[in-house]
Amino acid sequence: AQKVTQAQTEISVVEKEDVTLDCVYETRDTTYYLFWYKQPPSGELVFLIRRNSFDEQNEISGRYSWNFQKSTSSFNFTITASQVVDSAVYFCALSEANNAGNMLTFGGGTRLMVKP
Amino acid sequence: DAGVTQSPTHLIKTRGQQVTLRCSPKSGHDTVSWYQQALGQGPQFIFQYYEEEERQRGNFPDRFSGHQFPNYSSELNVNALLLGDSALYLCASSFGQTYGYTFGSGTRLTVV
Repeated sequence: AQKVTQAQTEISVVEKEDVTLDCVYETRDTTYYLFWYKQPPSGELVFLIRRNSFDEQNEISGRYSWNFQKSTSSFNFTITASQVVDSAVYFCALSEANNAGNMLTFGGGTRLMVKP
Repeated sequence: DAGVTQSPTHLIKTRGQQVTLRCSPKSGHDTVSWYQQALGQGPQFIFQYYEEEERQRGNFPDRFSGHQFPNYSSELNVNALLLGDSALYLCASSFGQTYGYTFGSGTRLTVV
């Protein structure tokens, strides 16, 4: 069975600080996909990134970066120089390639509060 | 280009009643997935519809059922509502077997 754990339920930082959101996953499949989504107060989930299990290269997109380590089953997300607009709930998710409907299994989320 | 549209945005129902939630997918998308998000938790997969058939189902009882119409829009029906069904119900559309999901803003259901 697949499982995603986000141990940090809530993080509070001051603007311009760097912050890392942790994600640990469990799966028996060798082929799977990992995701990060942002959920602002409006409710919709905003896609941030998708990685497949064969690509362990770290990725950087502006102030966002992701560290994928299969050895520790982790897919952590770092925001550099945080801004107030980064305040939201962030979800890590996993999808095993062999499931027919591309079902996403989400972690419990991390609420990030960035104070001015 | 409209994204995913869900209606209604908020709903209050009494325990034991039935409810229907609606979703119009993003233009060009033909697959609709439904998720339930309880307060303070991550979304949980209910089911996915493609070509008007249920393609995959999560761990939800038969009280939860759905339908997809020829125009790809979808409905989620919940019978015999329980207090525990109170949640944000999210619809996500995509094209075929791809992971390019677009989520709607959800329907907030409160069961009293």
